[in-house]
Order: sequence, then structure tokens, then C-alpha cells
Amino acid sequence: DAGVTQSPTHLIKTRGQQVTLRCSPKSGHDTVSWYQQALGQGPQFIFQYYEEEERQRGNFPDRFSGHQFPNYSSELNVNALLLGDSALYLCASSRQLNTGELFFGEGSRLTVL
Amino acid sequence: AQRVTQPEKLLSVFKGAPVELKCNYSYSGSPELFWYVQYSRQRLQLLLRHISRESIKGFTADLNKGETSFHLKKPFAQEEDSAMYYCALNPAEYGNKLVFGAGTILRVKS
Repeated sequence: DAGVTQSPTHLIKTRGQQVTLRCSPKSGHDTVSWYQQALGQGPQFIFQYYEEEERQRGNFPDRFSGHQFPNYSSELNVNALLLGDSALYLCASSRQLNTGELFFGEGSRLTVL
Repeated sequence: AQRVTQPEKLLSVFKGAPVELKCNYSYSGSPELFWYVQYSRQRLQLLLRHISRESIKGFTADLNKGETSFHLKKPFAQEEDSAMYYCALNPAEYGNKLVFGAGTILRVKS
């Protein structure tokens, strides 16, 4: 089991562009959460997907959107990129009833120029 | 609002010395608290949770609701404990909407 996998690992975009990040959860997991980690900070919750629906959302603008597919994989989309969106984006998966025990991917490092 | 505070960015101790990583939280409900750890070049992983009351790699953490704290302790630090440690709070009744602190780097010197 490869665990949680994310792609791409690194990418560079310019302001105003759009980006899509991808995540495959750990085998047997059906819930995917996304976190943003700015330099020197802890991860900050963006949103959570279960049964292909957004179940919970953190304090992020509508520019941040996501999707979950029938195979439980997920995408994070960010539109109209700002310099402040530069961060490490972490995907975490879990079993729906297993609160708090998250399995994280290695992250996608986004740089916005 | 829910908040997790880890007052120390860096904690440096000698091998064999006791370790205490501090975590304070702000939450009006009944909290569910966790410690996550990230070793060098590895992904973030769960170390322990307060509801299990277990010791992992010699680390323990006790929830003190009166002081709203969840400090992580180990009696004798080892070099392999060097890592970044994050305290996290789950404020939801269900789901995994964790609120993380900023983290503390633990350096164990030989």
C-alpha cells in the first residue's frame, strides 16, 4: 500500500492562473481532507470530502474548490491565484468514522509568482 | 473560535533528558486532542491521541481541561525523537476538521 499519494510534488504558477492538485487516498479510506500549510505554520483545514460531497469547510474563499470521484480520489482547484496562495498543500485520508486519525500525503508545493 | 497554541518554536535537549512539549488549546466544547509528528524527510503522521491514553515511543500526553493543556512528555529523550511536533484539536462532533498549532521543533543533542 503506497499510502496517500499526491501530484504534482512541485509546481510554479503566476498570479491569476488556476491550479489543480490531485490526491489518491490510502487503500480502504473513503474520506479525503485538504490542508494548506504556509511556511512556518501548522496545516490549516480547507475542506473535507466524503461520498463525493463537500462535508466540511474551513475559512477559505470560494476560489478554493474541490471534487471527489467514485474511486475516492480527490482534486483541489484554486482559481485566480494570489501570491499568498504559495504553500504546501496536504491531502489526508481517513475512514469516515475514525475521527482525528489522518494519513497524510507528502504534499504539493505550490509557488505563485 | 478554536485555537491551538504551541509556545515554543524550538526545544533543544540533551539525550537522556526529560522532554515536555507544551500545547494549550481554546475550545468551549469537549475537545479531542492529538499529537502529530513529522520526522526528517517523512510525512506527517499521528503520534498519539488523548482518548486512547496510550504511550507511543515512550511519549505520553494528559489532557488537563482545567488548564486547557495537552502537553507531550517523555522521561528520557533519544536522538531519534528529533522531529517537528504538532498539537491538533478536533472541534467537530464528527469528521476530521483538525486545528493545528504552529509546531515545535525538538532537537535532541548527543
